[in-house]
Amino acid sequence: DAGVTQSPTHLIKTRGQQVTLRCSPKSGHDTVSWYQQALGQGPQFIFQYYEEEERQRGNFPDRFSGHQYPNYSSELNVNALLLGDSALYLCASSLGTGASGANVLTFGAGSRLTVL
Amino acid sequence: AQKITQTQPGMFVQEKEAVTLDCTYDTSDPSYGLFWYKQPSSGEMIFLIYQGSYDQQNATEGRYSLNFQKARKSANLVISASQLGDSAMYFCAMREGLGGSYIPTFGRGTSLIVHP
Repeated sequence: DAGVTQSPTHLIKTRGQQVTLRCSPKSGHDTVSWYQQALGQGPQFIFQYYEEEERQRGNFPDRFSGHQYPNYSSELNVNALLLGDSALYLCASSLGTGASGANVLTFGAGSRLTVL
Repeated sequence: AQKITQTQPGMFVQEKEAVTLDCTYDTSDPSYGLFWYKQPSSGEMIFLIYQGSYDQQNATEGRYSLNFQKARKSANLVISASQLGDSAMYFCAMREGLGGSYIPTFGRGTSLIVHP
């Protein structure tokens, strides 16, 4: 049973460029959340997608956008990259958006973005 | 104000000994959930244990137990019989229920190193 898969695993971009990160959720999950984890920090919530719509958003600028496809896979797009966008980007999937029971997030291994 | 506080940036423990990782939280929501995740150097966040705010007993999962002290707003992770493979970052997270967004908020993490 495949867990959450993310691609690419590593990438290097320069300031001002645009990047697209991809995520396939765990089988049976329909909700995808994206987190940014800077070096030495805990994950920070970017946004959550459910039923192909952005349901919740954290404190991130509009340069960060996303998409969810009918097969539940998701993309994170970041425009006009800044040096401060260098981080590990984690995708997490779950079943539904609510807090039924533990409703544990299942994470992928992340995409490590370096902006030069 | 920080919702999740992990005051120990780094911890060291001898193999086969027990270790406690501290976590305090801040919420006025009566319904919330507390999680612990492990993040090895590979980057993937691995779910360890969950405690609901209404659970009467402390959660246990194998060698992991959660010392839940509701009045003190404390949710410490106890790892018994440490193994070399336990060396990793450990993150405490909280998801608020009725008045919250159901989106987990993470602490800054504690680095655990297990010595042979």
